[in-house]
Amino acid sequence: DQQVKQNSPSLSVQEGRISILNCDYTNSMFDYFLWYKKYPAEGPTFLISISSIKDKNEDGRFTVFLNKSAKHLSLHIVPSQPGDSAVYFCAASAETSGSRLTFGEGTQLTVNP
Amino acid sequence: GAGVSQTPSNKVTEKGKYVELRCDPISGHTALYWYRQSLGQGPEFLIYFQGTGAADDSGLPNDRFFAVRPEGSVSTLKIQRTERGDSAVYLCASSPGSGWRNEQFFGPGTRLTVL
Repeated sequence: DQQVKQNSPSLSVQEGRISILNCDYTNSMFDYFLWYKKYPAEGPTFLISISSIKDKNEDGRFTVFLNKSAKHLSLHIVPSQPGDSAVYFCAASAETSGSRLTFGEGTQLTVNP
Repeated sequence: GAGVSQTPSNKVTEKGKYVELRCDPISGHTALYWYRQSLGQGPEFLIYFQGTGAADDSGLPNDRFFAVRPEGSVSTLKIQRTERGDSAVYLCASSPGSGWRNEQFFGPGTRLTVL
């Protein structure tokens, strides 16, 4: 069963506009969420995280929102830049499951100049 | 400083052969993870080491897969009697601690192709 889902395989936005990437999860034990960014031929790179005790975390152009009741989180990038073009993975972990991360399928973001 | 490194970057083998994939974590990181990423999917957890011991190997798909970390640093993922379905990118990650809120730093992966 897919416990973390990213329903949009791809997203295309114009430079300077907002990018919104979405993620849904089913396991109510998840209490820590992360976003990773991946360029071709490289490993995923940590971007931003959020604990379940918060509903928002902001770091520069990147903001993650968590809606626990809906089991939904989103990553906002504003303003989007061409260098943001990459695959973005949502991941989740639970204290009860130790350190393993459960990833979504990924969303390919393309920012057009 | 150096990040996580993995060797080889690419490995092509024939069905039924044995392969070893190596991971060098970031110096000082006590936790080490192996994930497998199939085409169009996100990374899937395989095994996690804290120090020399496997703290969680519940993600290993079957007994053809085995991993070691004898000195608490470098790790080797071993796959016996490879099958075509084993073809994937094998990712290694390390983190400074073992808590579930530790950021994991990933290597570039080894692309395994089983013919």
